[in-house]
Amino acid sequence: AQSVTQPDIHITVSEGASLELRCNYSYGATPYLFWYVQSPGQGLQLLLKYFSGDTLVQGIKGFEAEFKRSQSSFNLRKPSVHWSDAAEYFCAVGGRTGANNLFFGTGTRLTVIP
Amino acid sequence: EAGVAQSPRYKIIEKRQSVAFWCNPISGHATLYWYQQILGQGPKLLIQFQNNGVVDDSQLPKDRFSAERLKGVDSTLKIQPAKLEDSAVYLCASSLDIQFTDTQYFGPGTRLTVL
Repeated sequence: AQSVTQPDIHITVSEGASLELRCNYSYGATPYLFWYVQSPGQGLQLLLKYFSGDTLVQGIKGFEAEFKRSQSSFNLRKPSVHWSDAAEYFCAVGGRTGANNLFFGTGTRLTVIP
Repeated sequence: EAGVAQSPRYKIIEKRQSVAFWCNPISGHATLYWYQQILGQGPKLLIQFQNNGVVDDSQLPKDRFSAERLKGVDSTLKIQPAKLEDSAVYLCASSLDIQFTDTQYFGPGTRLTVL
């Protein structure tokens, strides 16, 4: 069965500092992996996704993520955080073929301090 | 391009009452999803439609939840009767089709409080 673990419930970083949000997944086959961001009162927005190929994927808003099969990880990174990046971040893994359903982690809340 | 629309944005009801949520997906999107997001948790898929047919409803509590997408466009999700543990944000999403390469676009959600 698919599952996603985001070990950090809450992270605080200073504006301009680098960021890494952790995500570990469990899936029996080749995973389809996603990162979504949720700002207060808004729906989830896709940051980036990995299906196959290059294990370093680039997304919107300057985010990137690296797929590491040996570690079952898909960590999200950003070299320099902006105050507007404060939000909730969710990692997700795709479900069974032909259904396109997503299994989400519990999320990591990011606070950015000046 | 208009996004996924949901209404109402907020709803407060007492337990054992009924409630319905409405979703209008992005025009032309064949696949529609309803997720439940309980406070402090990630979204959990309740039901998925492909046009007006159900693809996956394995996590829908069918004794109290129902959903329909009669004409393959708009969808409604109903809870009858509501329980305290149904308090959550209900998110609707749509995608062009059912492949993993088809991005899911989410609406703003309906926040339900059951007293």
